[in-house]
Amino acid sequence: EPEVTQTPSHQVTQMGQEVILRCVPISNHLYFYWYRQILGQKVEFLVSFYNNEISEKSEIFDDQFSVERPDGSNFTLKIRSTKLEDSAMYFCASSVGQGGDEQYFGPGTRLTVT
Amino acid sequence: KQEVTQIPAALSVPEGENLVLNCSFTDSAIYNLQWFRQDPGKGLTSLLLIQSSQREQTSGRLNASLDKSSGRSTLYIAASQPGDSATYLCAVGPGNTGKLIFGQGTTLQVKP
Repeated sequence: EPEVTQTPSHQVTQMGQEVILRCVPISNHLYFYWYRQILGQKVEFLVSFYNNEISEKSEIFDDQFSVERPDGSNFTLKIRSTKLEDSAMYFCASSVGQGGDEQYFGPGTRLTVT
Repeated sequence: KQEVTQIPAALSVPEGENLVLNCSFTDSAIYNLQWFRQDPGKGLTSLLLIQSSQREQTSGRLNASLDKSSGRSTLYIAASQPGDSATYLCAVGPGNTGKLIFGQGTTLQVKP
């Protein structure tokens, strides 16, 4: 069964460093998303992406964040200068369509900023 | 602003019991509602998706209902098993960008 994959599973970085989290969505999906979950808190939407453009982004997704689909399979989230409060589990998701379509989530990347 | 609430926060039941998990949302103008399961330290597994025009969806022992007018959804689990122990998350899709707004989840423990 097709699944969303994410690498790395755990990333430790120092405050101020840049990190890139990688995702491979399900191959026939066209819509891609990033969410995050701070320990003990709700899952929060960061950004949705379609046709090489951001469809919607949340207040969390400020200028320190960017997303890219560098090739036909990968979808990346970059944090330019990490802060302690960026420590969280980051989930990638994808769907065939948007709006009413089921989203499939990857296993997550745990980002620890020290 | 859409808010999603799940009650109870935690639930412990004996094996074999039928149970209901509740989800409420403040704005009835939604595109869809999706139920997920999350095991500790793991990703989210989609269980059921209900479109805004639908009243319920079923998959195996799971049945999810949606009442948009009252801002409620329920997830019914029949004949619960220890393997059902996990956190169950409800998420509302408010528009056509695919954004999901999550509740805080109900952590279920099914005792053998």
